[in-house]
Amino acid sequence: QVQLQESGPGLVKPSGTLSLTCAVSGGSISSSNWWSWVRQPPGKGLEWIGEIYHSGSTNYNPSLKSRVTISVDKSKNQFSLKLSSVTAADTAVYYCARFLERTWSGWYPNWGQGTLVTVSS
Amino acid sequence: SSELTQDPAVSVALGQTVRITCQGDSLRSYYASWYQQKPGQAPVLVIYGKNNRPSGIPDRFSGSSSGNTASLTITGAQAEDEADYYCNSRDSSGNHRGVFGGGTKLTVL
Repeated sequence: QVQLQESGPGLVKPSGTLSLTCAVSGGSISSSNWWSWVRQPPGKGLEWIGEIYHSGSTNYNPSLKSRVTISVDKSKNQFSLKLSSVTAADTAVYYCARFLERTWSGWYPNWGQGTLVTVSS
Repeated sequence: SSELTQDPAVSVALGQTVRITCQGDSLRSYYASWYQQKPGQAPVLVIYGKNNRPSGIPDRFSGSSSGNTASLTITGAQAEDEADYYCNSRDSSGNHRGVFGGGTKLTVL
């Protein structure tokens, strides 16, 4: 069973860069999955941030694309999120998740527990 | 369009049947997946593909799709089904991006 675990600072200053890492266990990050980031502001819904394939191919949410970088480290079996120029609006619980895709369908069978990142001075 | 629209809130009497819907252009060509989220917890996959349940999800949960609308049906709702439910699909514009619906808060009366 694939397990994911987010890690990183819980507090980031405005205009700074949010950096999170997702460690993957129970499976290889080089398997045929997209590795994704999803966030949830307090009291609000889920927002898709972006994803990466083990080859390094990425897809990003257009509303965040100019500030987001997702990368993969196959040697450590983990992937990372960087979000630059953060504001209070970026305060959220950040989840990493595995996306399994088939013809005309895809789903997230595995999620990390989530980590709260607060943007504040 | 990259949007998925859900009703913000739905209620159901204990033991009755409830349908939660999700509308969006992408659903004409891509099956939705559905997630249950309880307070303070990560989302949990409940339905994927045409109508598939992961191991451990009760068979009272089912999915269907017609045109631009995907539906999650709970037949015989239980108190523990009270939660937020989110649909997910891919952007139909060909940009291969993910998108979530706004979520539906299910109350079991």
